[in-house]
Amino acid sequence: GQNIDQPTEMTATEGAIVQINCTYQTSGFNGLFWYQQHAGEAPTFLSYNVLDGLEEKGRFSSFLSRSKGYSYLLLKELQMKDSASYLCAALNNAGNMLTFGGGTRLMVKP
Amino acid sequence: NAGVTQTPKFRVLKTGQSMTLLCAQDMNHEYMYWYRQDPGMGLRLIHYSVGEGTTAKGEVPDGYNVSRLKKQNFLLGLESAAPSQTSVYFCASSYFSGQGGQETQYFGPGTRLLVL
Repeated sequence: GQNIDQPTEMTATEGAIVQINCTYQTSGFNGLFWYQQHAGEAPTFLSYNVLDGLEEKGRFSSFLSRSKGYSYLLLKELQMKDSASYLCAALNNAGNMLTFGGGTRLMVKP
Repeated sequence: NAGVTQTPKFRVLKTGQSMTLLCAQDMNHEYMYWYRQDPGMGLRLIHYSVGEGTTAKGEVPDGYNVSRLKKQNFLLGLESAAPSQTSVYFCASSYFSGQGGQETQYFGPGTRLLVL
């Protein structure tokens, strides 16, 4: 089975940097996804890490440590539109199933 | 391309009624998925399909059935709806990369189901 943990809620200030952590315990692992979901909308893809290290994509970066079962999503220069839920999801060995964490609701304040 | 579409967008059922949710994708994806999302519980996989004519159970399959008669469509059925099935249902699809990996999943807009 798979167990994915991430904080339920976080608050940050516009223009600041925030790090959302995700830990996972899995019987098989083939990579980690991050999705963004605005209220009432569908999740949309942010990043995918297979190897250890940091992947940077504009204001968003994602890090993975396979040995520690740990990932984080780093959001820089926060904007009000970044207020959303951020979902961490682990891909199984066969590459055919994602297990999602409960999501982290990020509120960006002026 | 329309991407992933779902019908209906919203439905109210009485306990014991049946219904079918339709998911369609025009990206020629092999994999398709049905999830439910409840407050504080994230997305939970109900059933999935790795190709036309094949389906498999996910994390929470009880009370649901699925069919994938055509590659572009994935149907989710509720034979006898229960209040516990009140939720938001998302369909998703993705490519199969062929090396145990997977391209990202693309999600439909969701179906809000209320069972009274």
